[in-house]
Amino acid sequence: DIVLTQSPGTLSLSPGERATLSCRASQTVSGNYLAWYQRKPGQAPRLLIYGASRRATGIPDRFSGSGSGTDFSLTISRLEPEDFAVYYCHQYGSSPPGTFGQGTKVEIK
Amino acid sequence: EVQLVQSGAEVKKPGESLKISCKGSAYSFATYWIGWVRHLPGKGLEWMGIIFPGDSDTRYSPSFQGQVSMSVDKSINTAYLQWGSLKASDSAIYYCARARVSSSWDAFDLWGQGTMVSVSS
Repeated sequence: DIVLTQSPGTLSLSPGERATLSCRASQTVSGNYLAWYQRKPGQAPRLLIYGASRRATGIPDRFSGSGSGTDFSLTISRLEPEDFAVYYCHQYGSSPPGTFGQGTKVEIK
Repeated sequence: EVQLVQSGAEVKKPGESLKISCKGSAYSFATYWIGWVRHLPGKGLEWMGIIFPGDSDTRYSPSFQGQVSMSVDKSINTAYLQWGSLKASDSAIYYCARARVSSSWDAFDLWGQGTMVSVSS
């Protein structure tokens, strides 16, 4: 199985700052089938990015994804108060099983 | 409204069996893969497996193979996650989620609200 390692574990930033989250895969993610989700306490995860760089429906353009192969990143250009949450990457490859990273918490500094 | 609605919270004892459900509405349930995801308290998300309601094709993560069973009843647009003998370590929130693209495993764009399972003697 592909192992996804996210870094950093916690990111302490202020509203208005830029956040860059990393997701590294133990082997090439075929087709760049890599997604990012946001999860807030008590809520289900919310799809932000799929296909490494495509924004899901209704996601603000301050969220962007990039990368290919084994190295991917999620950037939030200017943090809004509602963006403080835990973010997960997810590879869904060309066949199951899928895997999730362990998460990056973005907290208010 | 397109949605997945999961069954309510469960409190069980070790060794008991359990079946939780996930009902889809307002979309073609049979043609979208449904995945199950575990969220352990204070931990991250875990991909458990995925099932295609159209023909019940099921793929499990090696970590969950033999530990749980996934099934569907497409006549009532419902997917199920089942345990034969629960352990305390099964205490978690379980989410069902729909793959984004019909007939393809993909990112999960539609999620149920989660079912909390508590297992304690």
